[in-house]
Amino acid sequence: GENVEQHPSTLSVQEGDSAVIKCTYSDSASNYFPWYKQELGKGPQLIIDIRSNVGEKKDQRIAVTLNKTAKHFSLHITETQPEDSAVYFCAASIGSGDYKLSFGAGTTVTVRA
Amino acid sequence: DAGVIQSPRHEVTEMGQEVTLRCKPISGHNSLFWYRQTMMRGLELLIYFNNNVPIDDSGMPEDRFSAKMPNASFSTLKIQPSEPRDSAVYFCASSPGRKQYFGPGTRLTVT
Repeated sequence: GENVEQHPSTLSVQEGDSAVIKCTYSDSASNYFPWYKQELGKGPQLIIDIRSNVGEKKDQRIAVTLNKTAKHFSLHITETQPEDSAVYFCAASIGSGDYKLSFGAGTTVTVRA
Repeated sequence: DAGVIQSPRHEVTEMGQEVTLRCKPISGHNSLFWYRQTMMRGLELLIYFNNNVPIDDSGMPEDRFSAKMPNASFSTLKIQPSEPRDSAVYFCASSPGRKQYFGPGTRLTVT
């Protein structure tokens, strides 16, 4: 099955700086890559996703990039704010009628004021 | 719009007891997923349904776990008998296709 590795496991940034989280996947058939944000005591919330026919996608301060050849994708958060502090998960899906997601282990992001 | 609804939000039970977790997916979503989250194992997919039919239950840990989806608006995850190692947060998610939307979770503690 699909194996998704995520780095780093923890990330501390100064407010206003950028944060980058990287993930690699094992199955070249994977074609859908969502990112989730989980705040304490809540369920994961979908924040952005990308499909394999796209190299980059942006939504305000967050962006995701995908390198299919290297089988890795990254989340970029610019101008970080205290409310960006949370656990972030990457995931991958093969699709083609099977919409199971394989999740990375998560990155705990702390934004220092 | 109401999101995915799960109940109860917290459950404390004694080892050996039966536990039933409930989920109401977002209206119109045709796929439903049950996950378990622990510090040690992260987010694990237990089972998922498409159009109320179980498609993949390979993540269900043991025969003590069972899940049903009698209609498009309701699903249950049952553990019988429960054990301390079942303590975790259980999430339900629903999806109209690729995007999965998670509920708030049920925190289960088995003593």
